[in-house]
Amino acid sequence: AAGVIQSPRHLIKEKRETATLKCYPIPRHDTVYWYQQGPGQDPQFLISFYEKMQSDKGSIPDRFSAQQFSDYHSELNMSSLELGDSALYFCASSSRGAPLHYEQYFGPGTRLTVT
Amino acid sequence: AQKITQTQPGMFVQEKEAVTLDCTYDTSDPSYGLFWYKQPSSGEMIFLIYQGSYDQQNATEGRYSLNFQKARKSANLVISASQLGDSAMYFCAMREDPLLIPTFGRGTSLIVHP
Repeated sequence: AAGVIQSPRHLIKEKRETATLKCYPIPRHDTVYWYQQGPGQDPQFLISFYEKMQSDKGSIPDRFSAQQFSDYHSELNMSSLELGDSALYFCASSSRGAPLHYEQYFGPGTRLTVT
Repeated sequence: AQKITQTQPGMFVQEKEAVTLDCTYDTSDPSYGLFWYKQPSSGEMIFLIYQGSYDQQNATEGRYSLNFQKARKSANLVISASQLGDSAMYFCAMREDPLLIPTFGRGTSLIVHP
């Protein structure tokens, strides 16, 4: 079965640079979530989109922005990168119409290292 | 207040034995879902099992079962016949409404000894 796809899997950037992370949800999933997981931490919710509209906002810094496109893929744009942005960034998707509509499926994550 | 509590930062188990990972939750919403995820050292978050608040029976998926005690607000994960590949971080999560964002616990690190 198709899963959530994230690219790139690994990314190394320098401080003050920008980064763009991409997420391709499971086909027919209408909701995309972004999470940030620092070393030894639980995933922290950043932002979510439902049907291409922002639906919830968590602890996303102002330097970050995200959007969901017409084909339902989503991009997380990160500017003025800081060392503390080094983390694993997960995308997850779900479908409100699915029988197990609470269920989220996670992508493999993008490991961002800021040097 | 923490909505999901995993009191065991680390657990050790002998290969082929069963192990229970604890999870308690806090909600006043009658409708919610509970999840367990496995995160191996590679970093990916793997969905293991789901329990709905209205489900009458405990969820099972292969060697994984969820011991759901609604009155105690606990949703412990039981792994039977542990394997070396089960060594990983395990996260319990809750979603109080499909429209709301899931909340994760701090995780439990499981190490399976040969």
